Amino acid sequence: EDQVTQSPEALRLQEGESSSLNCSYTVSGLRGLFWYRQDPGKGPEFLFTLYSAGEEKEKERLKATLTKKESFLHITAPKPEDSATYLCAVPTYNNNDMRFGAGTRLTVKP
Amino acid sequence: DGGITQSPKYLFRKEGQNVTLSCEQNLNHDAMYWYRQDPGQGLRLIYYSQIVNDFQKGDIAEGYSVSREKKESFPLTVTSAQKNPTAFYLCASREQGYNEQFFGPGTRLTVL
Repeated sequence: EDQVTQSPEALRLQEGESSSLNCSYTVSGLRGLFWYRQDPGKGPEFLFTLYSAGEEKEKERLKATLTKKESFLHITAPKPEDSATYLCAVPTYNNNDMRFGAGTRLTVKP
Repeated sequence: DGGITQSPKYLFRKEGQNVTLSCEQNLNHDAMYWYRQDPGQGLRLIYYSQIVNDFQKGDIAEGYSVSREKKESFPLTVTSAQKNPTAFYLCASREQGYNEQFFGPGTRLTVL
């Protein structure tokens, strides 16, 4: 069964304190891994798609990387506006929908 | 601007009532999805539709119904059979040939 597990559940950082979020997955044939950002009371906003081990994508202070078993979302020198819940997801085996992790709630204090 | 709209943003339902949540997209996407989000849990799929006049049950379809009469629209009805409907409901769409799903702003449903 396709599964996605994110850790930690919550992460509190000081502004400028870099860290990483983890997304572990088990799927029968990876057809992409997706990262989303979700602000409270809003829909998820698409960030990145990664397709193969070793691939990296960057956007401002965020960098996503992918291995055969997990993905990391690295946050470099975060700012308070980076505070949000970060979700990762993988398409299911039949590609009809996606399996989401429960998310990591990131808080960046000034 | 292309995008997905959901209405209303907040919805209150009394016990025993059916309510319908609206989802419209002007992205010309073929596939549309309804998810439910509860605190501390990942998004769970309720229903999805790959083409007009066709839809499939997701993991938690009991107590919900949908229709897909137009490509742009995929309304979700929460029936009185859904025992715990208070949640945040998200609609998404996907372009054929791509895996990324794009989400609407969500509807928060509260049962009074």
